[in-house]
Amino acid sequence: DAGVIQSPRHEVTEMGQEVTLRCKPISGHDYLFWYRQTMMRGLELLIYFNNNVPIDDSGMPEDRFSAKMPNASFSTLKIQPSEPRDSAVYFCASSFLSQIEAFFGQGTRLTVV
Amino acid sequence: GQQVMQIPQYQHVQEGEDFTTYCNSSTTLSNIQWYKQRPGGHPVFLIQLVKSGEVKKQKRLTFQFGEAKKNSSLHITATQTTDVGTYFCAGRGSGTYKYIFGTGTRLKVLA
Repeated sequence: DAGVIQSPRHEVTEMGQEVTLRCKPISGHDYLFWYRQTMMRGLELLIYFNNNVPIDDSGMPEDRFSAKMPNASFSTLKIQPSEPRDSAVYFCASSFLSQIEAFFGQGTRLTVV
Repeated sequence: GQQVMQIPQYQHVQEGEDFTTYCNSSTTLSNIQWYKQRPGGHPVFLIQLVKSGEVKKQKRLTFQFGEAKKNSSLHITATQTTDVGTYFCAGRGSGTYKYIFGTGTRLKVLA
């Protein structure tokens, strides 16, 4: 298995633009997590899904952020409109049953200018 | 809400010295996981602890889960340059499936 695949690896966008981050979890995994990592706030859990259903989105910073999981092999995190303070590395992770290890993707480094 | 703190934030050691990072949760945990993130990389799972007072070893790494299941530690014996990175604990409370990551400890090993 290729592991968790995220795209793009790097994204530079202008303030106000829409940004879409993509994630393909490991086949067979039933949990998917979106994290944001910054120097100031560390690794923050934004939202997680179980069997494609959003379970807890309490970490989503505001209405500009939305996440979907239309099927078991694909998820998106959208920011509209983007702001400079959204600049961070966004990680997607997946796991089989929540109790064991989560496998992280390589991350998407987002820069909003 | 649940908070997970780690100390120290940074640690520089000479190669061959020991290293310990401590993880403290504001609430009792169901289990705790440890991850390592190399510079520029992504978190990689190291281990999971579930039982109160549990101790697990992986070669030079020793992991402990406190009796009250609110704290944990990672100890590395005789550090090597390959140990460089940030070590995170991630705790899960009861009744939830989400893990809250600690603030991390960045380890630098000087050759």
